[in-house]
Amino acid sequence: DTAVSQTPKYLVTQMGNDKSIKCEQNLGHDTMYWYKQDSKKFLKIMFSYNNKELIINETVPNRFSPKSPDKAHLNLHINSLELGDSAVYFCASSQDARGQGQPQHFGDGTRLSIL
Amino acid sequence: QKEVEQDPGPLSVPEGAIVSLNCTYSNSAFQYFMWYRQYSRKGPELLMYTYSSGNKEDGRFTAQVDKSSKYISLFIRDSQPSDSATYLCAMYGATNKLIFGTGTLLAIQP
Repeated sequence: DTAVSQTPKYLVTQMGNDKSIKCEQNLGHDTMYWYKQDSKKFLKIMFSYNNKELIINETVPNRFSPKSPDKAHLNLHINSLELGDSAVYFCASSQDARGQGQPQHFGDGTRLSIL
Repeated sequence: QKEVEQDPGPLSVPEGAIVSLNCTYSNSAFQYFMWYRQYSRKGPELLMYTYSSGNKEDGRFTAQVDKSSKYISLFIRDSQPSDSATYLCAMYGATNKLIFGTGTLLAIQP
């Protein structure tokens, strides 16, 4: 059983389009995250939700909007896609992040390519 | 200067060798330390988790934390070709944001 699953795995689209990525976790965790991994493999936090409440909101263009319908799901919608948005986007989850130092578990990523 | 520094490699060693991977960090508030392994086209997989200074062993893997030197290490004994991957260190400070190193690409030669 996949613990953290993301769809789609690959996304190729034109500049200016709007797209969404979905994430689901079956670990019973309270906190979910979105990360961006650039071409040099550097992972950077974008957003985090704890039980549907936004708790981390990094300096990210407001074209990126996360939504958490329940604590097992976290989606990422991106408006007006730009070339610089090309990257791998990872979803992760952990026990309640308000308890310090919780290890995070990652999905296999969504590879976004902007043409 | 990045908060967490990690040599990107690549590091190539023969099968059976002991591998040493390292990270240095600048923020003395970091106290939870993790190592992740990432295979090509996969997500990071948690390998080791340690709190504060000391050693932790799990099979062929040993994680060491030296908070006085702001230095953490991952040792892999009896390395196997299946250990070939990118290894990422990660750590938490007071903000509860997990800060990653840039990863070290490791290749084990059969």
